[in-house]
Amino acid sequence: AQSVTQLDSQVPVFEEAPVELRCNYSSSVSVYLFWYVQYPNQGLQLLLKYLSGSTLVKGINGFEAEFNKSQTSFHLRKPSVHISDTAEYFCAVRSYTGNQFYFGTGTSLTVIP
Amino acid sequence: EPEVTQTPSHQVTQMGQEVILRCVPISNHLYFYWYRQILGQKVEFLVSFYNNEISEKSEIFDDQFSVERPDGSNFTLKIRSTKLEDSAMYFCASSDPTGPNYGYTFGSGTRLTVV
Repeated sequence: AQSVTQLDSQVPVFEEAPVELRCNYSSSVSVYLFWYVQYPNQGLQLLLKYLSGSTLVKGINGFEAEFNKSQTSFHLRKPSVHISDTAEYFCAVRSYTGNQFYFGTGTSLTVIP
Repeated sequence: EPEVTQTPSHQVTQMGQEVILRCVPISNHLYFYWYRQILGQKVEFLVSFYNNEISEKSEIFDDQFSVERPDGSNFTLKIRSTKLEDSAMYFCASSDPTGPNYGYTFGSGTRLTVV
């Protein structure tokens, strides 16, 4: 089985400042990695995913994440956040052969004006 | 962009009552899923459904839960006798058969409150 740890439950950051949301995973098999965002009263929207190839992946809304296999991490970054980035962010993994996702507990990002 | 639609967005029910949560997956998708998120906790897999049968289920998905695709468009989750601990956000998702995440789309969720 797989598991995902998001080390920060809440991250406040000032507008236009950079942010990093941390994600570590554990798995005995190879996995794909994902970040989802949930805006208030909305569903889960895919931000970005790592399937193979370059370890730096770019997603929507200026976010990017870097897969580090040796550290089993997939941290999410944005160089300059906007008020509209305020949301809950979920890291998730899925094995190459499985259909189900394993999610972390989420990180609540609050952008302060 | 195609969406997974869930209804209702919020449902309140009394303990012991049966509830049915409804989902309309994306039309050309063949795999369907239910996940739930208890407040403050992680999103957890409940069940996956393919070719009119359950393909995988978690320990959470016990006998009080059932899923059905009653027609060509709807996918439902039934909870037979709700308990207080069933209060959660329930997400439906669907995916296409062509790859690991291509087209895996979540709905906006149904918030179930059991009182």
